[in-house]
Amino acid sequence: QSALTQPASVSGSPGQSITISCTGTSSDVGGYNYVSWYQQHPGKAPKLMIYDVSNRPSGVSNRFSGSTSGNTASLTISGLQAEDEADYYCSSYTGSSTLVFGGGTKLTVL
Amino acid sequence: QVQLVESGGGVVQPGRSLRLSCAASGFTFSSNTLHWVRQTPGKGLEWVALISYDGNNKYYADSVKGRFTISRDNSKNTLYLQMNSLRAEDTAVYYCARGRYCSGGICYFIGGFDYWGQGTLVTVSS
Repeated sequence: QSALTQPASVSGSPGQSITISCTGTSSDVGGYNYVSWYQQHPGKAPKLMIYDVSNRPSGVSNRFSGSTSGNTASLTISGLQAEDEADYYCSSYTGSSTLVFGGGTKLTVL
Repeated sequence: QVQLVESGGGVVQPGRSLRLSCAASGFTFSSNTLHWVRQTPGKGLEWVALISYDGNNKYYADSVKGRFTISRDNSKNTLYLQMNSLRAEDTAVYYCARGRYCSGGICYFIGGFDYWGQGTLVTVSS
């Protein structure tokens, strides 16, 4: 199972909105509504930000939102803040009782 | 509060074995699917394995199938990962992560992983 494709890096200024894409196939992202997004700060464990495409866990800011279109999932962060600077990973069920992650995207807040 | 604490990492020679543990607290351990996820230094995440709430169902990534075994002891609130025939490419930080309750089927992968441990580093090197 190949990793999902994410851009290596994205950047934005405070207050702006950014979108991180996560491209898979009809066997994973496009076939199931089981995409999750994780935020990881350096030296820390990942934190769940979005699950099942567009659901936010309790305590996660509503500035974070998720969606899918075809074989591509997207994470949008609005009102960018300095503390949003981190690595972001998507994941998806693959249809064969396994899970695949994306390669990760480094978000830089300018 | 929910806590997951991994242990057992270290330096091991290729071909040898190692067992990781993940001690859980702050929730009803026997109710949740549990996963192992690893992260190669400086690189991305890779899902390794899952075990159902009762230990009866287990699934593995192709990269570890036949070499790694996931297990749990609900009486001790502890998750394990037995790693045999270790290779250099198994070098990574290993995280345990909590999934949702699932009685079977694809729901093991629903809901994401809502809590993670701090990770334990495994280095496979001669």
